[in-house]
Amino acid sequence: DTGVSQDPRHKITKRGQNVTFRCDPISEHNRLYWYRQTLGQGPEFLTYFQNEAQLEKSRLLSDRFSAERPKGSFSTLEIQRTEQGDSAMYLCASSWGAIGNTGELFFGEGSRLTVL
Amino acid sequence: DAKTTQPNSMESNEEEPVHLPCNHSTISGTDYIHWYRQLPSQGPEYVIHGLTSNVNNRMASLAIAEDRKSSTLILHRATLRDAAVYYCILISHGQNFVFGPGTRLSVLP
Repeated sequence: DTGVSQDPRHKITKRGQNVTFRCDPISEHNRLYWYRQTLGQGPEFLTYFQNEAQLEKSRLLSDRFSAERPKGSFSTLEIQRTEQGDSAMYLCASSWGAIGNTGELFFGEGSRLTVL
Repeated sequence: DAKTTQPNSMESNEEEPVHLPCNHSTISGTDYIHWYRQLPSQGPEYVIHGLTSNVNNRMASLAIAEDRKSSTLILHRATLRDAAVYYCILISHGQNFVFGPGTRLSVLP
């Protein structure tokens, strides 16, 4: 098992362009999460899936953001009409079941977005 | 979401123990205390978690106050690789993690 993988690791784009990030979770994990992290801050929750169902979306996830997990395996996060304020690290994580007493959320290394 | 308070930064000397404090005075009876850390240029990684009793694992120990309003993450012998941001998080079953700014630990050789 190679853990959670994210692609691309780095993306530089011009304002107004669309970008898409992909996350491959640990294979047996049914939950997948997206977080955003800006410099000096902790990760902020964006959304999560249980299997293919998107169960929760943060108010941070504006209508320019869309996430999918079509077959309950990998997920994509698309940002349309990027703005400079979208520059951040986008982190994907996965878990088996609900976190809480089970403990572990496994994170990928993130996709760093820079919007010029 | 239950809130935690951590110092912004701490320093430690290499091979000495480190005690990272976390206050969570509004903790509820169903909240678990989780610690994660984030090494430079990496995603956060799990360190340890507990409910009421102290916990030990290969990475660290977690000491939980009797009233559960505070906890301490203990690294028994800090190494340079332990330099990271440490997050203390409260979560009940079914919730999602809410990360604060954490404590930035510097380890001096």
